[in-house]
This record gives sequence, structure tokens and C-alpha cells, in this order.
Amino acid sequence: GNSVTQMEGPVTLSEEAFLTINCTYTATGYPSLFWYVQYPGEGLQLLLKATKADDKGSNKGFEATYRKETTSFHLEKGSVQVSDSAVYFCALSAQTGANNLFFGTGTRLTVIP
Amino acid sequence: DAGVIQSPRHEVTEMGQEVTLRCKPISGHNSLFWYRQTMMRGLELLIYFNNNVPIDDSGMPEDRFSAKMPNASFSTLKIQPSEPRDSAVYFCASSDLGRPLEQFFGPGTRLTVL
Repeated sequence: GNSVTQMEGPVTLSEEAFLTINCTYTATGYPSLFWYVQYPGEGLQLLLKATKADDKGSNKGFEATYRKETTSFHLEKGSVQVSDSAVYFCALSAQTGANNLFFGTGTRLTVIP
Repeated sequence: DAGVIQSPRHEVTEMGQEVTLRCKPISGHNSLFWYRQTMMRGLELLIYFNNNVPIDDSGMPEDRFSAKMPNASFSTLKIQPSEPRDSAVYFCASSDLGRPLEQFFGPGTRLTVL
């Protein structure tokens, strides 16, 4: 089946620290992979995506590389800001013709000044 | 551009009452998704529609829940009768079948059933 496992939070970092949020997946076929972000009181919004192996998605200083050999899509940022405080969701879209997404449980990040 | 619109933003009701949540997808989008988010269970897909037709409703918790999409610009999620365990944030999202990889989420409806 299709599923996503991401590291449990919460994660608390000081401003300018390095961020890694781990995400691994199980899927049939060749899924597309996503990171969504949810700021307080808002809906989810797409942060970045990768559609095939070795692709790197990037946006707002965040990056994630689609690693087929380790079935991973870890989110990284070199220097976090207070404004990055949010819940981050890893997700996959299975390549089966269906257009629904499978989400991880979310990881809450808090960045302190 | 208007995003996905949900109403109401907050709903407080008593156990046993009927609750109707509403969603207007982004104009031109032809897929619509209903999700529920709780602390205990995270984000769960309840049902989704393509071209107004329900494709997968396996996430609907039980018969008390029903969803309709009478046209391309409107969908409802109804809970009848409501129970305290239905308390959650309900999100609607839409996407373009021609570009299915990105879903656009609404701001959510926070439902509290007393």
C-alpha cells in the first residue's frame, strides 16, 4: 500500500539553526512526493515537490531530494527563521491514476529567537 | 484570485444536531477533497470528487457523514446527527485534473460538538 512516515515532533530550534525533518515512504510504482506547510490557523499549502527519483524540490530556502534507494524525502533548511514555525506534512501521490494524496502525521516546528 | 472558500469558519453545535459544511473550490478546478484534522488522528481524507462525481468515499467514518457536489462550484459535507467525537477541523481542497499534483486548501471549518 501507500503510506508516509515522518519524524515525530515537536521540534524546537533556535533561529539560524539547521533543520532536518525526516520522511520515508512506501508506495507501489513511482510516486510523486511533496512537502506541505500549515501555518497557525490556516490550511495547508504546497511548499515543494519532486516527481521523479533524484529530483530536488526547493522553495523559500527549503530543499528535499527524492531518494528512491532509501525511499526518503527529507526536508532541510540551512538557517531557520521564527516565521518558519509551522506544521510540516510529507505526502505522496501514487502513480496509479488516482489523484489523492497520502499525508504523514505532520511535524510541528517551533523556532525561538 | 480567490482561493478555496469554506463556510462557516467556526461552528459550535450540540450533540444530535445536523451540521452542514460548505466549500467553493477554485474556479476551473475539477477535483475536490474533504479532509478532517484532529490531534489524535492527524489529517484524514474523507472523500474526493472528480468532475462532481464521488471517486473514493472510503474515508467517510460512518453513515452519519454524507457529501455532495451538485455542481462544479459547490460542495457540502453533512453530519447528521453530530456527536462530540466529530469535533475537528474540516478542510476542503481542490485541484486541476490536468495538473493533479498540487492541492489548494481552504482555511478550514473548526467544528465543536458539545
